[in-house]
Amino acid sequence: QSALTQEASVSGTVGQKVTLSCTGNSNNIGSYAVGWYQQISHGAPKTVMFGNSLPSGIPDRFSGSKSGTTASLTISGLQPEDEADYYCSTWDYSLSAQVFGGGTKLTVL
Amino acid sequence: QVQLQESGPGLVKPSQTLSLTCTVSGGSISSGSYYWSWIRQPAGKGLEWIGRIYTSGSTNYNPSLKSRVTISVDTSKNQFSLKLSSVTAADTAVYYCARWRGYGDVDWGQGTLVTVSS
Repeated sequence: QSALTQEASVSGTVGQKVTLSCTGNSNNIGSYAVGWYQQISHGAPKTVMFGNSLPSGIPDRFSGSKSGTTASLTISGLQPEDEADYYCSTWDYSLSAQVFGGGTKLTVL
Repeated sequence: QVQLQESGPGLVKPSQTLSLTCTVSGGSISSGSYYWSWIRQPAGKGLEWIGRIYTSGSTNYNPSLKSRVTISVDTSKNQFSLKLSSVTAADTAVYYCARWRGYGDVDWGQGTLVTVSS
């Protein structure tokens, strides 16, 4: 069982806004910034958000936020190429370990 | 732009030690404030953090793997390495190396499949 909880699957249509969530506790998300990683067709993961910052080259339809012990990744104006698995991750100081969510499979209808 | 490339045997026998190396190009492994990390992904499953080594040499490991894992750095070769001992079929996975910066900004290697089988 993952330390961070994500929806197993989310779907949306092209152009729609979707939000993926990542829930933890005060030892992890409540204390540290969260990273979001996109994995297309089981290829190498790619960073699409860290903290509330966009890496270079990532379109600005991706945005991130955090409230308490829940982090969110929002994709505004969903595109077919956004279909992928998305993982959240942060540091957990009680475990002294980096923890991941179980991943959300995003389907673009 | 930093690039990371994993290398090592694709097949390891049960009970033996899995050894992988990550070669870093486009930047020095001994400069900056980075965590050089290993992550793995069994087929059809999610990402699992294995451990990391900081630029200073300090390490952190996944508590569930800690007794079997060693991560080290070779600054002369601009590489860092993973050793996982006493492997079983459950250690079969794609192994990724990564450069982890603050706030979760990560540069990923392309990954390498390691199969544990006799």
